[in-house]
Amino acid sequence: EVQLVESGGGLVQPGGSLRLSCAASGFTVSSYWMHWVRQDSGKGLVWVSRLDTDERSTNYADSVKGRFTISRDNAKNTLYLQMNSLRAEDTAVYYCVRGYNGLDVWGQGTTVTVS
Amino acid sequence: DIQMTQSPSSLSASVGDRVTITCRASQGIRNDLGWYQQKPGKAPRRLIYAASSLQSGVPSRFTGSASGTEFTLTISSLQPEDFATYYCLQHTSYPWTFGQGTKVEIK
Repeated sequence: EVQLVESGGGLVQPGGSLRLSCAASGFTVSSYWMHWVRQDSGKGLVWVSRLDTDERSTNYADSVKGRFTISRDNAKNTLYLQMNSLRAEDTAVYYCVRGYNGLDVWGQGTTVTVS
Repeated sequence: DIQMTQSPSSLSASVGDRVTITCRASQGIRNDLGWYQQKPGKAPRRLIYAASSLQSGVPSRFTGSASGTEFTLTISSLQPEDFATYYCLQHTSYPWTFGQGTKVEIK
């Protein structure tokens, strides 16, 4: 079964850092584009970042560019999102998503609160 | 950035009703559009990809169509489990962008 399980969310002060992890099973993360998407409480979905299969190509939303870094560990089959210089407006549920003809498989999400 | 204008933002409907939700792209996105369903406290689930292709395991009452920059999700006969929020997503250019969402509520 294809599955994504996020972890690493929590409460952090403004200016702090967190690293989110996304453990994949049932497929190999290095074979797919992988993404992070976030959702403010009760609000809409916002695409955050994407990592290409070659790992050298990344994209970021303007709101996180220069502060967030997407990466992966092939041996652990895990995707990461390093979040630095966190702001109150980064408070959200963060979803790890597999990219295949758009976004196909979603994790259950992990909550980040910056306060 | 490509703007996705989704309408309506909410609607009330009864079981058995036909429901239509629309997303309009601010520029051409080919057929790089998906539709997602999200229930409270849950992750989104893809219903439609490539504008009109049904995701495996999704009931056939969900259909997607496209005409130029206008994309439509239709639920042919609304079922109790369909009450949720629906989003479109364009993935033709970065940043990928979602519509604002349509909340489908019980009348």
